[in-house]
Amino acid sequence: DQQVKQNSPSLSVQEGRISILNCDYTNSMFDYFLWYKKYPAEGPTFLISISSIKDKNEDGRFTVFLNKSAKHLSLHIVPSQPGDSAVYFCAATPRGTASKLTFGTGTRLQVTL
Amino acid sequence: KAGVTQTPRYLIKTRGQQVTLSCSPISGHRSVSWYQQTPGQGLQFLFEYFSETQRNKGNFPGRFSGRQFSNSRSEMNVSTLELGDSALYLCASSPGDRSYNEQFFGPGTRLTVL
Repeated sequence: DQQVKQNSPSLSVQEGRISILNCDYTNSMFDYFLWYKKYPAEGPTFLISISSIKDKNEDGRFTVFLNKSAKHLSLHIVPSQPGDSAVYFCAATPRGTASKLTFGTGTRLQVTL
Repeated sequence: KAGVTQTPRYLIKTRGQQVTLSCSPISGHRSVSWYQQTPGQGLQFLFEYFSETQRNKGNFPGRFSGRQFSNSRSEMNVSTLELGDSALYLCASSPGDRSYNEQFFGPGTRLTVL
């Protein structure tokens, strides 16, 4: 049972444009959501997070949006840069279980020149 | 601050053997979690240790075990290795406060079981 889903396995975006990565979840107990970026042969790197009490969180070029009623979140990267090319994972955790992250399957982003 | 370190980075074992992986968290972090990444199942939570006690556990068989030492370093052990245990094993650390969710990952140990 995949509780966190990233339905797009890959995405290609031109440099300078917006990248939008999507994530859906089914477990209503999830109340904290995170995005990680992963390069081959490295561990995931934390990017940005959002609590269920918010619907938007920004950090530089990265913005995460949360739609609780739709159980959907998205990561916007503006403007996209070639160095953003990586696999992006969304993750979720229920209240009080901060360490037990449930990950999506990942979306491979390729930013082209 | 130094990041999360994991040793060894690569390991080759044969079926039936056992293996021990090591993780040193970021200084001051008291929580260490372990994850398994495989092409088929993605990233899956194994267990979390906090103050030398297992605080959370995922859905893995008892062949997977761990421990944490008083300096917060953690080890993970897999006994009676199976081919399906071939994976990237990732360790992550965090301060341990239940309200703090961001975890910081090490580079992983790539285990190959032949």
